[in-house]
Amino acid sequence: EVQLVESGGGLVQSGGSLRLSCAASGFTFSSYWMTWVRQAPGKGLEWVANIKQDGSEKNYEDSVKGRFTISRDNAKNSLYLQMNSLRAEDTAVYHCARTTAGDYWGQGTLVTVSS
Amino acid sequence: DIQMTQSPSSLSASVGDRVTITCRASQGIRDDLGWFQQKPGKAPKRLIYATSTLQSGVPSRFSGSGSGTEFTLTISSLQPEDFATYYCLQYNDYPRTFGQGTKVEIK
Repeated sequence: EVQLVESGGGLVQSGGSLRLSCAASGFTFSSYWMTWVRQAPGKGLEWVANIKQDGSEKNYEDSVKGRFTISRDNAKNSLYLQMNSLRAEDTAVYHCARTTAGDYWGQGTLVTVSS
Repeated sequence: DIQMTQSPSSLSASVGDRVTITCRASQGIRDDLGWFQQKPGKAPKRLIYATSTLQSGVPSRFSGSGSGTEFTLTISSLQPEDFATYYCLQYNDYPRTFGQGTKVEIK
């Protein structure tokens, strides 16, 4: 069974940093693109970033470029999102998802940025 | 960026109704479109990918169609468990973009 479990969310002040993790199981992690998607409270889904199987290609949504870094450790079956210079508008539940078209999703971890 | 315009933003329907949701892309995206269902407090669940391919385990009352710039999700006979919010996603180009969502409510 495919499982994706996010962690690392919490309350942080504006300008601060957080590192999110996504632990994957039930599939060959190193064979899939992985994606981060976020959802602000009461709002719709917003694609954030994705990363190729070997980490050689990374893509970002414009508002997070230069502040967020996606990475992965295939030996640990883990996906990461390093978030720096956080802003109030980054407040959201952050989901990791398998593939570039999101066939499986984790439940998400809540990031709250206080101003 | 490719804009995905989803309509309607909400609808009220009864059990057994046929429901249609549309997504229009600001430029052609071939068939690189998926549909997702999300219930409150839950992760999104993919229903359809590549415009019309049903995800394994998804009931056959869900179907997708379209090409180029106009795409449709149809629920042939709405069931109680289908009341949720639905999103389209284009994965033809970066950044990937979602539609604004359609909330399907009980009439």
